[in-house]
Amino acid sequence: GAVVSQHPSRVICKSGTSVKIECRSLDFQATTMFWYRQFPKQSLMLMATSNEGSKATYEQGVEKDKFLINHASLTLSTLTVTSAHPEDSSFYICSARSETNGYTFGSGTRLTVV
Amino acid sequence: TQLLEQSPQFLSIQEGENLTVYCNSSSVFSSLQWYRQEPGEGPVLLVTVVTGGEVKKLKRLTFQFGDARKDSSLHITAAQPGDTGLYLCAGYSYSGYSTLTFGKGTMLLVSP
Repeated sequence: GAVVSQHPSRVICKSGTSVKIECRSLDFQATTMFWYRQFPKQSLMLMATSNEGSKATYEQGVEKDKFLINHASLTLSTLTVTSAHPEDSSFYICSARSETNGYTFGSGTRLTVV
Repeated sequence: TQLLEQSPQFLSIQEGENLTVYCNSSSVFSSLQWYRQEPGEGPVLLVTVVTGGEVKKLKRLTFQFGDARKDSSLHITAAQPGDTGLYLCAGYSYSGYSTLTFGKGTMLLVSP
Protein backbone atom coordinates (compact mmCIF):
# COMPACT_ATOMS: atom_id res chain seq x y z
CA GLY A 1 0.00 0.00 0.00
CA ALA A 2 0.85 3.66 -0.13
CA VAL A 3 3.39 4.86 2.39
CA VAL A 4 4.17 8.34 3.63
CA SER A 5 7.47 8.80 5.37
CA GLN A 6 7.71 11.60 7.92
CA HIS A 7 11.01 12.64 9.41
CA PRO A 8 12.14 13.20 12.09
CA SER A 9 9.85 11.26 14.40
CA ARG A 10 11.04 13.21 17.41
CA VAL A 11 12.92 16.46 17.75
CA ILE A 12 13.93 18.62 20.68
CA CYS A 13 15.06 22.13 19.94
CA LYS A 14 15.93 25.27 21.84
CA SER A 15 13.54 28.17 21.97
CA GLY A 16 14.18 30.61 19.12
CA THR A 17 15.57 28.06 16.69
CA SER A 18 13.87 26.67 13.58
CA VAL A 19 12.93 23.09 12.89
CA LYS A 20 12.20 21.45 9.56
CA ILE A 21 9.91 18.44 9.21
CA GLU A 22 9.86 16.42 6.00
CA CYS A 23 7.00 14.47 4.52
CA ARG A 24 7.65 12.15 1.59
CA SER A 25 5.26 10.03 -0.39
CA LEU A 26 6.93 6.75 -1.34
CA ASP A 27 6.01 5.03 -4.59
CA PHE A 28 3.29 7.50 -5.45
CA GLN A 29 2.90 11.11 -6.37
CA ALA A 30 0.90 13.38 -4.12
CA THR A 31 -0.52 16.48 -5.73
CA THR A 32 -1.74 17.67 -2.36
CA MET A 33 -0.28 17.30 1.10
CA PHE A 34 -1.79 18.36 4.38
CA TRP A 35 -0.21 19.37 7.65
CA TYR A 36 -1.96 18.76 10.95
CA ARG A 37 -1.25 19.56 14.55
CA GLN A 38 -2.46 17.35 17.35
CA PHE A 39 -2.56 17.98 21.09
CA PRO A 40 -2.60 15.06 23.55
CA LYS A 41 -5.77 12.97 23.39
CA GLN A 42 -7.30 15.35 20.88
CA SER A 43 -8.13 15.14 17.22
CA LEU A 44 -6.13 16.42 14.30
CA MET A 45 -6.31 20.11 13.55
CA LEU A 46 -5.65 21.02 9.94
CA MET A 47 -2.98 23.70 9.71
CA ALA A 48 -2.50 24.05 5.97
CA THR A 49 -3.03 22.49 2.59
CA SER A 50 -0.05 22.30 0.31
CA ASN A 51 -0.25 21.90 -3.46
CA GLU A 52 2.82 21.12 -5.49
CA GLY A 53 4.30 24.21 -7.08
CA SER A 54 2.01 26.71 -5.45
CA LYS A 55 1.63 28.54 -2.18
CA ALA A 56 0.10 26.70 0.73
CA THR A 57 -3.37 27.53 1.94
CA TYR A 58 -3.40 28.13 5.68
CA GLU A 59 -6.32 27.59 8.00
CA GLN A 60 -7.65 30.49 10.01
CA GLY A 61 -5.46 31.28 12.99
CA VAL A 62 -2.34 29.59 11.64
CA GLU A 63 0.56 31.99 11.15
CA LYS A 64 1.99 31.44 7.68
CA ASP A 65 5.21 33.25 8.54
CA LYS A 66 5.78 30.98 11.50
CA PHE A 67 4.87 27.71 9.83
CA LEU A 68 6.57 27.75 6.45
CA ILE A 69 5.44 25.11 4.02
CA ASN A 70 7.25 24.14 0.86
CA HIS A 71 5.94 21.60 -1.64
CA ALA A 72 8.61 21.67 -4.29
CA SER A 73 7.94 18.24 -5.80
CA LEU A 74 5.14 15.72 -6.09
CA THR A 75 6.74 13.55 -3.42
CA LEU A 76 8.05 16.00 -0.85
CA SER A 77 6.55 18.65 1.38
CA THR A 78 8.32 20.34 4.27
CA LEU A 79 7.05 22.22 7.28
CA THR A 80 9.47 24.59 8.98
CA VAL A 81 8.58 25.91 12.40
CA THR A 82 10.46 29.18 12.63
CA SER A 83 11.59 30.78 15.87
CA ALA A 84 10.04 27.97 17.82
CA HIS A 85 8.69 28.56 21.32
CA PRO A 86 7.53 26.12 23.99
CA GLU A 87 3.89 26.66 22.99
CA ASP A 88 4.75 25.23 19.57
CA SER A 89 5.50 21.90 21.20
CA SER A 90 3.07 19.42 19.73
CA PHE A 91 2.61 16.39 17.51
CA TYR A 92 2.71 17.32 13.84
CA ILE A 93 1.32 14.95 11.21
CA CYS A 94 1.39 15.15 7.45
CA SER A 95 -0.92 13.49 4.98
CA ALA A 96 -0.57 12.95 1.28
CA ARG A 97 -3.46 12.58 -1.10
CA SER A 98 -3.53 10.89 -4.47
CA GLU A 99 -6.33 9.93 -6.80
CA THR A 100 -5.65 6.22 -6.44
CA ASN A 101 -4.66 5.98 -2.77
CA GLY A 102 -6.83 8.60 -1.14
CA TYR A 103 -5.31 9.95 2.06
CA THR A 104 -2.22 8.42 3.61
CA PHE A 105 -0.80 9.71 6.86
CA GLY A 106 2.75 9.98 8.03
CA SER A 107 3.75 8.61 11.42
CA GLY A 108 4.03 12.06 12.95
CA THR A 109 6.73 14.22 14.51
CA ARG A 110 6.86 14.95 18.21
CA LEU A 111 8.30 18.45 18.60
CA THR A 112 9.49 19.61 21.99
CA VAL A 113 10.75 23.15 22.35
CA VAL A 114 12.79 23.80 25.49
CA THR B 1 -17.57 24.96 8.03
CA GLN B 2 -18.54 21.31 8.23
CA LEU B 3 -18.45 19.81 11.69
CA LEU B 4 -18.37 16.20 12.77
CA GLU B 5 -19.56 15.50 16.28
CA GLN B 6 -18.11 12.34 17.68
CA SER B 7 -19.32 10.60 20.84
CA PRO B 8 -18.42 9.51 23.35
CA GLN B 9 -15.17 11.40 23.83
CA PHE B 10 -13.77 8.84 26.23
CA LEU B 11 -14.69 5.23 26.81
CA SER B 12 -13.17 2.86 29.33
CA ILE B 13 -14.45 -0.71 29.24
CA GLN B 14 -13.49 -4.23 30.22
CA GLU B 15 -12.27 -6.84 27.78
CA GLY B 16 -15.17 -8.69 26.18
CA GLU B 17 -17.63 -5.82 26.28
CA ASN B 18 -19.30 -4.33 23.22
CA LEU B 19 -19.27 -0.65 22.35
CA THR B 20 -20.50 1.81 19.76
CA VAL B 21 -18.95 5.10 18.70
CA TYR B 22 -21.06 7.67 16.89
CA CYS B 23 -20.17 10.30 14.34
CA ASN B 24 -22.80 12.87 13.43
CA SER B 25 -23.01 15.92 11.24
CA SER B 26 -25.58 18.26 9.77
CA SER B 27 -23.68 18.13 6.50
CA VAL B 28 -23.70 15.51 3.80
CA PHE B 29 -20.42 13.81 2.99
CA SER B 30 -19.53 11.99 -0.19
CA SER B 31 -17.76 9.40 1.92
CA LEU B 32 -16.72 8.86 5.49
CA GLN B 33 -13.62 7.23 6.88
CA TRP B 34 -12.72 5.73 10.22
CA TYR B 35 -9.17 5.79 11.52
CA ARG B 36 -7.45 4.34 14.55
CA GLN B 37 -4.45 6.09 16.03
CA GLU B 38 -2.05 4.80 18.64
CA PRO B 39 0.06 7.13 20.79
CA GLY B 40 2.98 8.62 18.91
CA GLU B 41 1.78 7.32 15.56
CA GLY B 42 -0.19 8.69 12.64
CA PRO B 43 -3.79 7.63 12.02
CA VAL B 44 -4.29 4.36 10.20
CA LEU B 45 -7.28 3.99 7.91
CA LEU B 46 -9.74 1.29 8.98
CA VAL B 47 -12.51 1.69 6.45
CA THR B 48 -14.16 4.00 3.95
CA VAL B 49 -17.93 4.02 3.54
CA VAL B 50 -19.40 5.62 0.47
CA THR B 51 -23.00 4.61 -0.06
CA GLY B 52 -25.84 5.73 2.21
CA GLY B 53 -26.94 2.80 4.37
CA GLU B 54 -23.75 0.91 3.70
CA VAL B 55 -22.52 -1.55 6.31
CA LYS B 56 -18.97 -2.85 6.33
CA LYS B 57 -17.44 -5.42 8.62
CA LEU B 58 -13.81 -5.76 9.55
CA LYS B 59 -13.49 -8.76 11.85
CA ARG B 60 -15.07 -7.58 15.13
CA LEU B 61 -15.64 -4.05 13.85
CA THR B 62 -18.86 -3.06 12.10
CA PHE B 63 -19.14 0.30 10.35
CA GLN B 64 -22.37 1.84 9.19
CA PHE B 65 -23.01 4.90 7.05
CA GLY B 66 -26.33 6.64 7.55
CA ASP B 67 -28.90 6.66 4.77
CA ALA B 68 -28.54 10.42 4.37
CA ARG B 69 -24.71 10.21 4.48
CA LYS B 70 -24.60 12.57 7.45
CA ASP B 71 -23.73 10.12 10.20
CA SER B 72 -21.86 6.94 10.86
CA SER B 73 -21.25 4.47 13.64
CA LEU B 74 -18.52 2.06 14.62
CA HIS B 75 -19.48 -0.97 16.67
CA ILE B 76 -16.87 -3.19 18.27
CA THR B 77 -17.88 -6.63 19.48
CA ALA B 78 -16.03 -8.32 22.32
CA ALA B 79 -13.43 -5.59 22.68
CA GLN B 80 -9.84 -6.59 23.36
CA PRO B 81 -6.97 -4.62 24.92
CA GLY B 82 -5.45 -4.38 21.44
CA ASP B 83 -8.42 -2.24 20.39
CA THR B 84 -7.22 0.53 22.70
CA GLY B 85 -6.56 3.75 20.82
CA LEU B 86 -8.00 6.97 19.49
CA TYR B 87 -10.75 6.40 16.94
CA LEU B 88 -11.35 9.20 14.49
CA CYS B 89 -14.10 9.62 11.96
CA ALA B 90 -13.40 11.83 8.98
CA GLY B 91 -15.84 13.06 6.40
CA TYR B 92 -14.77 13.65 2.84
CA SER B 93 -16.50 16.22 0.70
CA TYR B 94 -15.81 18.05 -2.46
CA SER B 95 -16.35 21.79 -2.25
CA GLY B 96 -14.19 23.40 -4.86
CA TYR B 97 -11.34 21.30 -3.61
CA SER B 98 -11.44 18.05 -1.71
CA THR B 99 -11.42 18.32 2.05
CA LEU B 100 -11.26 15.79 4.86
CA THR B 101 -12.91 16.93 8.07
CA PHE B 102 -12.04 15.09 11.29
CA GLY B 103 -14.24 14.49 14.27
CA LYS B 104 -12.82 15.18 17.72
CA GLY B 105 -12.08 11.53 18.30
CA THR B 106 -13.02 8.86 20.80
CA MET B 107 -10.35 7.65 23.17
CA LEU B 108 -11.01 3.97 23.88
CA LEU B 109 -9.33 2.09 26.71
CA VAL B 110 -9.95 -1.63 26.98
CA SER B 111 -8.73 -3.16 30.20
CA PRO B 112 -7.89 -6.86 30.57
